[in-house]
Amino acid sequence: LAKTTQPISMDSYEGQEVNITCSHNNIATNDYITWYQQFPSQGPRFIIQGYKTKVTNEVASLFIPADRKSSTLSLPRVSLSDTAVYYCLVGPFSGGYNKLIFGAGTRLAVHP
Amino acid sequence: DAGVTQSPTHLIKTRGQQVTLRCSPISGHKSVSWYQQVLGQGPQFIFQYYEKEERGRGNFPDRFSARQFPNYSSELNVNALLLGDSALYLCASSGESGSSQETQYFGPGTRLLVL
Repeated sequence: LAKTTQPISMDSYEGQEVNITCSHNNIATNDYITWYQQFPSQGPRFIIQGYKTKVTNEVASLFIPADRKSSTLSLPRVSLSDTAVYYCLVGPFSGGYNKLIFGAGTRLAVHP
Repeated sequence: DAGVTQSPTHLIKTRGQQVTLRCSPISGHKSVSWYQQVLGQGPQFIFQYYEKEERGRGNFPDRFSARQFPNYSSELNVNALLLGDSALYLCASSGESGSSQETQYFGPGTRLLVL
């Protein structure tokens, strides 16, 4: 299973765009990249998932370069409520088995 | 629609005791996974069940066991509790195939404290 590396913590201010980069040098051909958000004492919440190029939904964008050895989660115009831990996961695409490998995550603090 | 529910929300046990945690998946979901999250760390995979069969097991001792019922709800059982078992136990459910490309939806967790 591919190991991921992401910054331990980041700081930002309300209204700014935040980009969190995750390295996954050993990503396999059939791996997807998934990001989760977790608030204190709550379960992780799915944000976005992608395989290559760019994926966008109502809350975030995910940029994946051609070599797929890294990915960047982009949060547009963050607010105080975006303060959370963000996890980058790279998981096998094998059918019937959905074990998620979480790293330590990136603690994002959004300031007024 | 109701999300993943877990009970109890909090639990205090003493070393050597046994504990059973419960999870009800989102309606229609057939796969349930269990994770342990120690304070300050990311969740660690314990088990996955799909259609009442164990699909995967993480690196946890045999003191940890689980099962899934015909209605797809699940129980996680931990025997001979140790202080190090103190953690947030998370349950996640996913859709019909239980495969990795499906989004997993997590419950709020059960906070277990072992004294």
